[in-house]
Amino acid sequence: GQNIDQPTEMTATEGAIVQINCTYQTSGFNGLFWYQQHAGEAPTFLSYNVLDGLEEKGRFSSFLSRSKGYSYLLLKELQMKDSASYLCAVTSSNTGKLIFGQGTTLQVKP
Amino acid sequence: GAGVSQSPRYKVTKRGQDVALRCDPISGHVSLYWYRQALGQGPEFLTYFNYEAQQDKSGLPNDRFSAERPEGSISTLTIQRTEQRDSAMYRCASSLGTGGLDTEAFFGQGTRLTVV
Repeated sequence: GQNIDQPTEMTATEGAIVQINCTYQTSGFNGLFWYQQHAGEAPTFLSYNVLDGLEEKGRFSSFLSRSKGYSYLLLKELQMKDSASYLCAVTSSNTGKLIFGQGTTLQVKP
Repeated sequence: GAGVSQSPRYKVTKRGQDVALRCDPISGHVSLYWYRQALGQGPEFLTYFNYEAQQDKSGLPNDRFSAERPEGSISTLTIQRTEQRDSAMYRCASSLGTGGLDTEAFFGQGTRLTVV
């Protein structure tokens, strides 16, 4: 089956850097996604990793280690609008399912 | 359409009634997913389709829940004999394909179901 773990809540200060970790177990790994979800809204795509290493996109970066079943999302120069839930999701080539973790609620404080 | 459309946005129903939730995916998208999301939680997988074929329904809670996508486009999630525990946000998502970045899921705004 598929299993994803990420911290429930995190707090950080405006302007700082925060790292949100995700560990996963899946049969037939076919990629890992990070989504952002603001309260009351639908999840929106942030990043995709299928190979080991770091993918950088502006203030956001995502890292993947397939051998460790581990990923992180790095947010730099935090802004108040970054307060949201961050969802780690994994696809399986065996099942085709896209499974989400419970989400990490990030609160950015002034 | 331009995005994934779900209807209705809000549905209040009495316990014991049947409800049908509709999802209109992005045109040309092969895969369609149904999720249920509780407040403060991530989307919980229910079922998904590739074209008209239901690939996996292992997440459906019980046999009161069913889904179809008869022409490989619009999908309907049906809940029979609703119970209060069925109250939740039901989200639909679609993706272009089944491999790699094509599996990026685009979400609709969801249907908020309340069973009273």
